[in-house]
Amino acid sequence: DADVTQTPRNRITKTGKRIMLECSQTKGHDRMYWYRQDPGLGLRLIYYSFDVKDINKGEISDGYSVSRQAQAKFSLSLESAIPNQTALYFCATSDPGQGVGEQYFGPGTRLTVT
Amino acid sequence: AQSVTQLDSQVPVFEEAPVELRCNYSSSVSVYLFWYVQYPNQGLQLLLKYLSGSTLVKGINGFEAEFNKSQTSFHLRKPSVHISDTAEYFCAVNRVGIQGAQKLVFGQGTRLTINP
Repeated sequence: DADVTQTPRNRITKTGKRIMLECSQTKGHDRMYWYRQDPGLGLRLIYYSFDVKDINKGEISDGYSVSRQAQAKFSLSLESAIPNQTALYFCATSDPGQGVGEQYFGPGTRLTVT
Repeated sequence: AQSVTQLDSQVPVFEEAPVELRCNYSSSVSVYLFWYVQYPNQGLQLLLKYLSGSTLVKGINGFEAEFNKSQTSFHLRKPSVHISDTAEYFCAVNRVGIQGAQKLVFGQGTRLTINP
């Protein structure tokens, strides 16, 4: 079984709808991240969490919110989706004791907002 | 703030030929450097990393990278590529020694296509 899972894998939604992307991990890591990937722009950090009580904005947090329900679960919400939020979204985890800078990525969620 | 520039968005190479994917970074402090690979329809996985010590680092699948501090570069190389190396490659940097030390900054990505 995959260590970092994301649901759904693909989602098409309409402008204005609320949508939640979910991430679960079995690696036991405290740190979790949400990125979006756009062609030609690489990965950009949306939010990150260093433990259940710690949530931090990344470089592009506007229009997004997150919830860290447990050590293993980190959800990303789009309160009112817009077309320029169409992208590939990745969840990642890390453990500073297991390798500086090394992050473990889920398979991604492809989101299309029409 | 740190930034990463990957100089080539796409690199087509014939099978068994050598390849170099270029990465330059900017930072006023010491950094850790990484290369990640993304195979089609998959998440990213770590290919190799430079933390300190020898400037030539070896990674998985025969890849290696050389850290050049004076040129602020961390180019990725492989002497002979295989069809299975077709993927997108991302260079990344994070800053040493601050609370957010594992906030990676990624380059734009280089799509490596291996042709038979």
